[in-house]
Amino acid sequence: KAGVTQTPRYLIKTRGQQVTLSCSPISGHRSVSWYQQTPGQGLQFLFEYFSETQRNKGNFPGRFSGRQFSNSRSEMNVSTLELGDSALYLCASSVTTGTDTQYFGPGTRLTVL
Amino acid sequence: KQEVTQIPAALSVPEGENLVLNCSFTDSAIYNLQWFRQDPGKGLTSLLLIQSSQREQTSGRLNASLDKSSGRSTLYIAASQPGDSATYLCAVFSYNQGGKLIFGQGTELSVKP
Repeated sequence: KAGVTQTPRYLIKTRGQQVTLSCSPISGHRSVSWYQQTPGQGLQFLFEYFSETQRNKGNFPGRFSGRQFSNSRSEMNVSTLELGDSALYLCASSVTTGTDTQYFGPGTRLTVL
Repeated sequence: KQEVTQIPAALSVPEGENLVLNCSFTDSAIYNLQWFRQDPGKGLTSLLLIQSSQREQTSGRLNASLDKSSGRSTLYIAASQPGDSATYLCAVFSYNQGGKLIFGQGTELSVKP
């Protein structure tokens, strides 16, 4: 069974631009969560989607948004990029809820110049 | 507010040693606790998930224990190998944290040949 895939793997953007990251969960998984990982803050939860609905949201500004499609694939968007948005963005999928085992993708490394 | 702490932050051991990684959490109202492994620049690999009603889980050379009342978990690695070198993260899924995993900062393990 294929694992969680994320595209693109690397991105370089400049301040003020916007970016869209994509996550394809493991087949049959309906929950997708997004995390931001930085050296200073570690792993921080962004949001979780289940059946195309945002179920939970972390403490990030409104510039961070996401959505989930009917095939469970998810995208997250960051608008008006800031230098501090440089991070590894990880998505995780699980069968139904966040209480199930979380399977993580390889991440998208975003660099904002 | 749930906080997860991992000690030590870094650990270097010779090959073949048995070792213990520690994880503590402040709020005992958890659904489960997961241990992950992260190789440099990569995503997270789930190692073990312990439900709140369980005391331990084992997988190969890995054994994780959970003492919910004292807010502690340990990950025991037997007969360590250089391939075990990675950062090990523990994360709890709390009742009171809006349905998300709360991560510790990780223990960076180096196993020397």
